[in-house]
Amino acid sequence: GQQLNQSPQSMFIQEGEDVSMNCTSSSIFNTWLWYKQDPGEGPVLLIALYKAGELTSNGRLTAQFGITRKDSFLNISASIPSDVGIYFCAGTGGSQGNLIFGKGTKLSVKP
Amino acid sequence: DVKVTQSSRYLVKRTGEKVFLECVQDMDHENMFWYRQDPGLGLRLIYFSYDVKMKEKGDIPEGYSVSREKKERFSLILESASTNQTSMYLCASSSGQITDTQYFGPGTRLTVL
Repeated sequence: GQQLNQSPQSMFIQEGEDVSMNCTSSSIFNTWLWYKQDPGEGPVLLIALYKAGELTSNGRLTAQFGITRKDSFLNISASIPSDVGIYFCAGTGGSQGNLIFGKGTKLSVKP
Repeated sequence: DVKVTQSSRYLVKRTGEKVFLECVQDMDHENMFWYRQDPGLGLRLIYFSYDVKMKEKGDIPEGYSVSREKKERFSLILESASTNQTSMYLCASSSGQITDTQYFGPGTRLTVL
């Protein structure tokens, strides 16, 4: 079945740094979603993307739906300690009935 | 705001016990989902339901069953819990198309001894 490759698996950064993570698919996706999961909690939706080329911001977060429809990235600017958590990408493609999730990027922020 | 609640945050059971995990959503969503989350494996879909009394197998349904008697409630059942079912279980719901944005509950961390 379809798979999502999410990278990097983990990141250790200093407070104030910018962060970038991405997801790629072997096939075309129609929707890209980015979630954040705080430790011990369920994932919370950050940004949803529905059109190729779409660039959407949510505060310090910016995400883009790749032109090829096979990738998406999430940027976090000026990271703060509460950005710590696991970030998941998810998407839906033409041949797949359900949301497919990446394996997550674990972000650690040093104050 | 969408609210998805799960009956327990932490649960400890013994091997062979029957386990019920309950999930309730308050947004009249048609679709509900059960996932398990394990380190290095991400979220894996166990079962989902797109309507009352309807259920579909996900990627890893073995050892689990589900029940959806009311629109707002979706139960995950472990008929005979085993240690390899120790995991974080996440419930989600969505409206409209089965591929629409999913909203998650806080999760239940199940330990099977």
